[in-house]
Amino acid sequence: EAAVTQSPRNKVAVTGGKVTLSCNQTNNHNNMYWYRQDTGHGLRLIHYSYGAGSTEKGDIPDGYKASRPSQENFSLILELATPSQTSVYFCASGVDRGQNTLYFGAGTRLSVL
Amino acid sequence: EQQVQQSPASLVLQEAENAELQCSFSIFTNQVQWFYQRPGGRLVSLLYNPSGTKQSGRLTSTTVIKERRSSLHISSSQITDSGTYLCAMERSDYGSSGNKLIFGIGTLLSVKP
Repeated sequence: EAAVTQSPRNKVAVTGGKVTLSCNQTNNHNNMYWYRQDTGHGLRLIHYSYGAGSTEKGDIPDGYKASRPSQENFSLILELATPSQTSVYFCASGVDRGQNTLYFGAGTRLSVL
Repeated sequence: EQQVQQSPASLVLQEAENAELQCSFSIFTNQVQWFYQRPGGRLVSLLYNPSGTKQSGRLTSTTVIKERRSSLHISSSQITDSGTYLCAMERSDYGSSGNKLIFGIGTLLSVKP
C-alpha cells in the first residue's frame, strides 16, 4: 500500500504569516499533487509536480507556492496566509502511466486567524 | 464551473438496501475513478473504470464515456459504507504535459441500522 505522509496534521496560523505544509511519499511515484477541500467545492487542485524540481499550477494556484526538492517530498507554501486559505489540504501521489490511481495523505487542517 | 457533477448530494439508506450514485462530466475524459472518504479521513481509491462495467466486491461501476457519465452501484449496503463517495475524471490541459484528476463534490451516504 502506497504511503503518503503529511505534516503537520493540524495548524493554526496568523494572517500574514508564512505556512509550510509538507508531504512525503515512499513509493517512488513521479507525480504529486496538492488539493484543498472545502464544503460546497469538493477537492480543488492547487499545484502538482511530475518529478523532482518541477512544479505546475493547478486550478487555484493564487496565494500558494510549491516546491519539489526530491522525488519523495512536495511542499505547499503560503507566503502570506489569509483567512480564505482556511481549509483541509490533501497531498497525493501517483504514477504517470496507465491507471492513474492517486494515493492520498491523511490531510492537514489549517486555520488562519 | 464544476466540471464533475455528482448526484444525489446526499442519500440515506436502511442497511441492506442498494445505492446508485451518478457522475457526469462537462468535458470528455478517458479516465474515471471513484473514491471513498470517511468523515475527516483520507480518500481511498475504490474503482478505476475508464469504460464499460467494473466490479469490486459489492461495488459496480458503469461508465459510458461517449455520454460523459459514470455510475456507482453499492449492493447490500452496510453501516460501514457510510461516508462520502467522490467521482473523479482525468483532464488533459492544452500546453501541459501529463494529466490531472478533477473531482466532484461527492455524494454523502448514510446507512442506518
